[in-house]
Amino acid sequence: DAGVIQSPRHEVTEMGQEVTLRCKPISGHDYLFWYRQTMMRGLELLIYFNNNVPIDDSGMPEDRFSAKMPNASFSTLKIQPSEPRDSAVYFCASSPRELGELFFGEGSRLTVL
Amino acid sequence: GQSLEQPSEVTAVEGAIVQINCTYQTSGFYGLSWYQQHDGGAPTFLSYNGLDGLEETGRFSSFLSRSDSYGYLLLQELQMKDSASYFCAVRDSNQGGKLIFGQGTELSVKP
Repeated sequence: DAGVIQSPRHEVTEMGQEVTLRCKPISGHDYLFWYRQTMMRGLELLIYFNNNVPIDDSGMPEDRFSAKMPNASFSTLKIQPSEPRDSAVYFCASSPRELGELFFGEGSRLTVL
Repeated sequence: GQSLEQPSEVTAVEGAIVQINCTYQTSGFYGLSWYQQHDGGAPTFLSYNGLDGLEETGRFSSFLSRSDSYGYLLLQELQMKDSASYFCAVRDSNQGGKLIFGQGTELSVKP
């Protein structure tokens, strides 16, 4: 298996623009997680899905953030409008079971100018 | 809520042994995990302790004491490639088992 695949790897955009980050989990993994990593706040859980259904989105910072999982092999994290404080590395991870280990993608490094 | 505490930095020399401690506070607890991250790359799973005691995987071992809300990661025969950030993480059973990460410990291995 190719592992968790994220795109884009790097994104530079201007404040106010819409940003869409994409994730393909490992086939057969029922759980998908979106994390954000910054120096100040470390690795923060934003939202996670089970069988394509959002289970906990309490970590989503505000309404500018939204996440979807239309099918078992694809998820998106959207920021609209983006702000400089959204600059971070966004990781997607998947897991085969609820309490299982997480398999992380390489991350999407977002810079909002 | 929950909180995890681990040292921000640790330095050791090649061939040595280093221990990275983690204390946690959660309302519910499923287990303690450790992840390794090189230079902002993908975090990778190292070990998991659901019960008290020591788990050994090659040069790495992890320990848990649930009564003390404490665990550690032990790295033996350190190699330069072990220079990385190490994160402890807990699953809070009162929050659907979601995995919460500590701030990470940056390990520098010197020759």
